[in-house]
Amino acid sequence: KAGVTQTPRYLIKTRGQQVTLSCSPISGHRSVSWYQQTPGQGLQFLFEYFSETQRNKGNFPGRFSGRQFSNSRSEMNVSTLELGDSALYLCASCRTGERCGYTFGSGTRLTVV
Amino acid sequence: AQSVTQLDSQVPVFEEAPVELRCNYSSSVSVYLFWYVQYPNQGLQLLLKYLSGSTLVKGINGFEAEFNKSQTSFHLRKPSVHISDTAEYFCAVRSSGGYQKVTFGTGTKLQVIP
Repeated sequence: KAGVTQTPRYLIKTRGQQVTLSCSPISGHRSVSWYQQTPGQGLQFLFEYFSETQRNKGNFPGRFSGRQFSNSRSEMNVSTLELGDSALYLCASCRTGERCGYTFGSGTRLTVV
Repeated sequence: AQSVTQLDSQVPVFEEAPVELRCNYSSSVSVYLFWYVQYPNQGLQLLLKYLSGSTLVKGINGFEAEFNKSQTSFHLRKPSVHISDTAEYFCAVRSSGGYQKVTFGTGTKLQVIP
């Protein structure tokens, strides 16, 4: 079966711009989580969605937002990009509940210049 | 609040030797514990998870981990490593109840030396 698909794979943006990243979970998976990965901070939790509802939110500024659609696909948006937003953004899905292990996508590498 | 600590940032080991990657966690309630592996330029892959029951958990690629509640540890082990095991390994914890977020450790880079 198809894995977690993240698009685009690579992205270069200029400071001040905004960006939207997309994640398609495994079919049947209703939970989608987003993480930011950087060499200095490691994996930082952004949000978790379940059936279109945000179930959890990390400690990121309001410039970071997300949503989940009725087909479980999810998007995250970053407005007014800063250099420090350069990172690998990872999406992970699981079927339901808190006991499941994530299946991760390959990530979107965002570079802000 | 929950947290997870991976004390070793890098672990070099010779091929076919055993390895143990250490993970300690902190939580005021029961936890679910996970180990993931990340190969270069890829996302993370689930190796194994502890939910309840037997404290020894077997995963993919010959890895296993032991949950020790008194030591609040969940160390990952493999009896004989291969070159292909060279990767970064992440321990993760999720406190039970209330759909808490999953918190990841800072990762341990395993370097297998031929």
